[in-house]
Amino acid sequence: QKEVEQNSGPLSVPEGAIASLNCTYSDRGSQSFFWYRQYSGKSPELIMFIYSNGDKEDGRFTAQLNKASQYVSLLIRDSQPSDSATYLCAVLLTNKLIFGTGTLLAVQP
Amino acid sequence: DTGVSQDPRHKITKRGQNVTFRCDPISEHNRLYWYRQTLGQGPEFLTYFQNEAQLEKSRLLSDRFSAERPKGSFSTLEIQRTEQGDSAMYLCASSPTGYNEQFFGPGTRLTVL
Repeated sequence: QKEVEQNSGPLSVPEGAIASLNCTYSDRGSQSFFWYRQYSGKSPELIMFIYSNGDKEDGRFTAQLNKASQYVSLLIRDSQPSDSATYLCAVLLTNKLIFGTGTLLAVQP
Repeated sequence: DTGVSQDPRHKITKRGQNVTFRCDPISEHNRLYWYRQTLGQGPEFLTYFQNEAQLEKSRLLSDRFSAERPKGSFSTLEIQRTEQGDSAMYLCASSPTGYNEQFFGPGTRLTVL
């Protein structure tokens, strides 16, 4: 079992819809969780982090964490074509980030 | 620009050559990380510095790879006797002490012919 798993997609949503991206992790001791956005050919950009169970909102983004289920999600409201990118879920293990393979999101105009 | 910077942005080399990459972290970020990313994969951890001390190295980091951060500021990653399998994006990230968030630089794309 991979340490961090994501559906590779592509996830296709129409402009203005809610995009829901999911991630599961295997290490029950993990405490810190991150979402990075990566445009093609560019480096990862940190967009959200969450450390406590529940929801955390920042603008159009909401991160959700359920430690009991070992599940992290990212919701993007009012999706825009500029949101089209690969979204990487990452878990902090000691001092290093363990990444999933990413979910490709395509927002259709 | 106060973000993480990396140099060069692109490097093409022939198999067997040595290459060196540089990373300048965000000012006053004590922690510095190197990752490697291949197509279709998430970044993979290579090594981590707290100030000038290299505190952790991945088993991915063979003896052909060496990293330094001599004055606790910029860092270099050297690959000796490059192989085609070394072709990847090499990413540097930094974070301040006491914080878990890591901020990535633009990366160095290495192509080994």
